[in-house]
Amino acid sequence: DAGITQSPRYKITETGRQVTLMCHQTWSHSYMFWYRQDLGHGLRLIYYSAAADITDKGEVPDGYVVSRSKTENFPLTLESATRSQTSVYFCASSEPGRDSNTGELFFGEGSRLTVL
Amino acid sequence: AQKITQTQPGMFVQEKEAVTLDCTYDTSDPSYGLFWYKQPSSGEMIFLIYQGSYDQQNATEGRYSLNFQKARKSANLVISASQLGDSAMYFCAMRVTGNQFYFGTGTSLTVIP
Repeated sequence: DAGITQSPRYKITETGRQVTLMCHQTWSHSYMFWYRQDLGHGLRLIYYSAAADITDKGEVPDGYVVSRSKTENFPLTLESATRSQTSVYFCASSEPGRDSNTGELFFGEGSRLTVL
Repeated sequence: AQKITQTQPGMFVQEKEAVTLDCTYDTSDPSYGLFWYKQPSSGEMIFLIYQGSYDQQNATEGRYSLNFQKARKSANLVISASQLGDSAMYFCAMRVTGNQFYFGTGTSLTVIP
């Protein structure tokens, strides 16, 4: 099915371990984003990408690494997980200015990460 | 600075009544877009409605309308004839230059039967 999918949906890990959250979209949207959602903070941007091989930091990038070698994939890696990175992570994509669309964000289902 | 503010952490509304969820924004960009998303307890993010900064008329999508007051920098969501299924978190978001999106902290809406 077309859309944007995240994996894993749920992950429990330990402090210090490396974790990678995967994101795959089938629309060929140029922009992809990673947000984290925490109570009282809404959604905060971690990293975004305007195209393959182009990534940039968002509001809260520390402790995270991203890559985008292909347009459809945008993995997020926590190189050494900390308890403060326990959160729900959303991947999203958008294609601004295409036809008459609004350019809204399309979200994945979210990945709930717990760091013990 | 780019900022979205939602000042209502929680709201209650009687079923079949209308409710307004507040959103104010701050940007110096001349061109921007305003969005509302719904997040039910299942967790997915659902796009509801969009308003462009140059749009002359308020956006409407079924029971949703966006009360856009540009001079006041407000973009309130109005839900008419509330239904039990409207109980959810609602997020206001703003898109600015560079296709950057900023989100508010959300409003939790509870519809009372």
